[in-house]
Amino acid sequence: EAQVTQNPRYLITVTGKKLTVTCSQNMNHEYMSWYRQDPGLGLRQIYYSMNVEVTDKGDVPEGYKVSRKEKRNFPLILESPSPNQTSLYFCASSTGLVTEQYFGPGTRLTVT
Amino acid sequence: ILNVEQSPQSLHVQEGDSTNFTCSFPSSNFYALHWYRWETAKSPEALFVMTLNGDEKKKGRISATLNTKEGYSYLYIKGSQPEDSATYLCAPPTSGTYKYIFGTGTRLKVLA
Repeated sequence: EAQVTQNPRYLITVTGKKLTVTCSQNMNHEYMSWYRQDPGLGLRQIYYSMNVEVTDKGDVPEGYKVSRKEKRNFPLILESPSPNQTSLYFCASSTGLVTEQYFGPGTRLTVT
Repeated sequence: ILNVEQSPQSLHVQEGDSTNFTCSFPSSNFYALHWYRWETAKSPEALFVMTLNGDEKKKGRISATLNTKEGYSYLYIKGSQPEDSATYLCAPPTSGTYKYIFGTGTRLKVLA
């Protein structure tokens, strides 16, 4: 089954404790992306990757890092989480900008 | 930052009514326009990807049109059903980059 998986689905952590949210897709997609969703603000892009070893900032990259060492995986790293990073996070993948994105199930992160 | 506006922000319709919403975006450097359907507690799912001026797409009772010269797209739902209740998002990837900017969405509630 074609899918995008994210782990963990739910996470409660404390300020400053490094964490990684994993994202994996089994569709051999080149394009992968991370979004955060906050009430009233819609989906905002954090980082995206056009292919292995090619990543770039979206509109809200501050406080996040990513890597793309393999085509299927695109982890999101929070080196020192802060409460303003409490949000719902989605990973998505596609073959490119003129094809539909497939979204993962989401990760709800709470930073206290 | 590309300004993507969706209207209305929310609406309630009766079962069987037809409805439509608007996505407005800057017409310069148009690349593509995505529509997504997002049900509560689920992930966004792609409805359409549109690229050509005058393009029309249809999926069941849902259809969309695109005007790239004036920078807008309409999404139509014919004979709304309660299962159509969701937030409908549009997103034009920005030309020259590989970023997505999502509108804040139109939240539709179909009353039985």
